Amino acid sequence: GESVGLHLPTLSVQEGDNSIINCAYSNSASDYFIWYKQESGKGPQFIIDIRSNMDKRQGQRVTVLLNKTVKHLSLQIAATQPGDSAVYFCAENLDGTSYGKLTFGQGTILTVHP
Amino acid sequence: GAGVSQSPSNKVTEKGKDVELRCDPISGHTALYWYRQSLGQGLEFLIYFQGNSAPDKSGLPSDRFSAERTGGSVSTLTIQRTQQEDSAVYLCASTSRGTFQETQYFGPGTRLLVL
Repeated sequence: GESVGLHLPTLSVQEGDNSIINCAYSNSASDYFIWYKQESGKGPQFIIDIRSNMDKRQGQRVTVLLNKTVKHLSLQIAATQPGDSAVYFCAENLDGTSYGKLTFGQGTILTVHP
Repeated sequence: GAGVSQSPSNKVTEKGKDVELRCDPISGHTALYWYRQSLGQGLEFLIYFQGNSAPDKSGLPSDRFSAERTGGSVSTLTIQRTQQEDSAVYLCASTSRGTFQETQYFGPGTRLLVL
């Protein structure tokens, strides 16, 4: 049969704009969430994390928001730069295990235009 | 060594052949994870090693996949009788203690293409 290509969500922004990347997670029992950035040809790089007892956490130019009611996670990047262009993944600790067995979302492609 | 390293960076093989992928974790890190990333997909957990404990193999997709970790450091992921659907990027990550809120540091991955 014919194979169907998978298309990741994409977000295109102008340099200097703020970016918001969204993620819906699957398990209401998940208690730890992470955002990763993956540049072409590289492994994922940790950006920021948040525990389920928080609804907001800020880092350098990045903010993660957690809405447990609707199981939604977002990553806000302030003053987006061309170097921010990458695929962004959210991940959750799904099993509530004592170690970091993570379940990753599909990813969002962020393109920043100069 | 500053980070996690993996080798080879790229591997092209023929269907039915066996392949071995290597991961060198960050020195001193006791926990090691393998993930698979198919084209346009997120990462899929394969296996987890922590110290001398029995590994969690629950993510291995079939009995053609196996992994070892010798001396609590280097790990090898072996895929026997490779199939075209095994084509993917195989990523390794390590953490210092293996607890669930630690940052996982990823290597650059091995890109496997099965013809």
